[in-house]
Amino acid sequence: GQQLNQSPQSMFIQEGEDVSMNCTSSSIFNTWLWYKQDPGEGPVLLIALYKAGELTSNGRLTAQFGITRKDSFLNISASIPSDVGIYFCAGQRTSGSRLTFGEGTQLTVNP
Amino acid sequence: DAGVTQSPTHLIKTRGQHVTLRCSPISGHKSVSWYQQVLGQGPQFIFQYYEKEERGRGNFPDRFSARQFPNYSSELNVNALLLGDSALYLCASSSKSDEQYFGPGTRLTVT
Repeated sequence: GQQLNQSPQSMFIQEGEDVSMNCTSSSIFNTWLWYKQDPGEGPVLLIALYKAGELTSNGRLTAQFGITRKDSFLNISASIPSDVGIYFCAGQRTSGSRLTFGEGTQLTVNP
Repeated sequence: DAGVTQSPTHLIKTRGQHVTLRCSPISGHKSVSWYQQVLGQGPQFIFQYYEKEERGRGNFPDRFSARQFPNYSSELNVNALLLGDSALYLCASSSKSDEQYFGPGTRLTVT
């Protein structure tokens, strides 16, 4: 099935460093969401974006809805060990419809 | 408030058997969606139900079926199981907003 292009696939960083990841699509989405998934658990919603150009923060996390509506970015500042996990972007074409997910970014934080 | 709950947590089945997975949404949420997540990939949309009616179906064979009950809980049924059906099955619930909240998933292993 169709998936969004998410990069990088994996990241290995030192505690305290900032992290950036992005998600691109060939088609437009009207809502972008970012999730974090720990091993053996379901994805947990981090941030939801509803308007092109929107910049939203949740603690050390900041996400942006691209102007073209075909991309989104997630930044994590001052990473800590508990940030370890897989981060997924998800796009939604119309309100309340199915989510299309990226392939995920595996984040490893070295203490 | 309780989040999305799913049962069972883990399940082992043999090829050719059928399986029923269950999901209870967050209280007040009327929409339930099902996703399949194969190891190393992002979740893939299977079904969405709203107010007991199917609102969307992903690219899955007819062996997959689902329903939603008057209390908004939902079941996903898979018949004639194949080895390739081994995956984490995720249920997500949502209210009127676009934000979907996921349960912990059911890990299905087909041998």
